[in-house]
Amino acid sequence: KAGVTQTPRYLIKTRGQQVTLSCSPISGHRSVSWYQQTPGQGLQFLFEYFSETQRNKGNFPGRFSGRQFSNSRSEMNVSTLELGDSALYLCASSSSPSFTDTQYFGPGTRLTVL
Amino acid sequence: SQQGEEDPQALSIQEGENATMNCSYKTSINNLQWYRQNSGRGLVHLILIRSNEREKHSGRLRVTLDTSKKSSSLLITASRAADTASYFCATALYGNKLVFGAGTILRVKS
Repeated sequence: KAGVTQTPRYLIKTRGQQVTLSCSPISGHRSVSWYQQTPGQGLQFLFEYFSETQRNKGNFPGRFSGRQFSNSRSEMNVSTLELGDSALYLCASSSSPSFTDTQYFGPGTRLTVL
Repeated sequence: SQQGEEDPQALSIQEGENATMNCSYKTSINNLQWYRQNSGRGLVHLILIRSNEREKHSGRLRVTLDTSKKSSSLLITASRAADTASYFCATALYGNKLVFGAGTILRVKS
């Protein structure tokens, strides 16, 4: 099976812009979760989707949003970018919701905000 | 502080030696997962241990879980230079979220 794919791999934006990141899960997986990784805060959970419904959300401002499509692909959107949004954004897929099973991670999208 | 905290923060050993990393957490969990990350790339899943399990093995990896002490350990035996990476524990809170620790940076010298 193909692994989790994320596009784009690298992105450079300026403050105030918005960005959309995409994640394609492993075939058959219906759960997709998103994480932000920064040197200062480490790995932080953003949100989880299962069967097109957001099940859980981390402590991030409303500028961070996401959605999941009927084919389980997911997108994450960050509006009004700030310098502090520069990070590696990782998504993971799983066959079951709520982290009861192994999470398979993609390679990540490196976002730089100038 | 974070739900999952690892120690040591960094570990440097010689090839062939064993490496042990510890993870402590605060609240009840559904399961605990260990991941490896090489140089800012994606995370690779190592082992998932459920709250009703005490020990799991996978190749050179051994994970233990002590729910009474709210702690877990990851042992890598006969380490290799290719094991050099950051290792993270992640606790799955019941129906809630996956919380990562700060990680242990392992360096294996050849």
